[in-house]
Amino acid sequence: ETGVTQSPTHLIKTRGQQVTLRCSSQSGHNTVSWYQQALGQGPQFIFQYYREEENGRGNFPPRFSGLQFPNYSSELNVNALELDDSALYLCASSLGRTSGTDTQYFGPGTRLTVL
Amino acid sequence: DQQVKQNSPSLSVQEGRISILNCDYTNSMFDYFLWYKKYPAEGPTFLISISSIKDKNEDGRFTVFLNKSAKHLSLHIVPSQPGDSAVYFCAASADNYGQNFVFGPGTRLSVLP
Repeated sequence: ETGVTQSPTHLIKTRGQQVTLRCSSQSGHNTVSWYQQALGQGPQFIFQYYREEENGRGNFPPRFSGLQFPNYSSELNVNALELDDSALYLCASSLGRTSGTDTQYFGPGTRLTVL
Repeated sequence: DQQVKQNSPSLSVQEGRISILNCDYTNSMFDYFLWYKKYPAEGPTFLISISSIKDKNEDGRFTVFLNKSAKHLSLHIVPSQPGDSAVYFCAASADNYGQNFVFGPGTRLSVLP
């Protein structure tokens, strides 16, 4: 067990709605990354937050946004949901080291279905 | 355009034999590579890593080999055990601190008793 939790486990929304997914990182981990994993694909990097500021972003539109809080929790918000947003959303926390390897610890994910 | 490829969607191996999972990449800027294992209903779990200054890294039954000229890496598991049955993802990073990773599509390994 990684100590990273996500809620909810499953979620069903309709096209055009907004959704908020939550992640609780390991205590002391200053960095959180969010990934989208479509069926049969590997996780795709959405963005990363370090000490409450965005620290890198993948190829996702602005309707994907995030927040990181001082208590090691974070949110992924998606506006104007589209059918293609149906996927497993993973968060991963890490220490946020400034040198060397920074191993990421993944949560179990939230399965989002958009109808 | 997939920068990290795992061309075998699935692999079956007999218990006790060697499992070899392959990964190819196209971006020559990648300098850090990891393997993750994923069981159903769980997030990926870090397995082993290698930086571009090495060509081999071992951790118990797991060894990763890197061939930079061929842009190819492989994960060897020996001996394979039924508990190794999972989806294995190869990931690569061009970030100095190895934080932003590009994942391959995964290979499902089945170790048969």
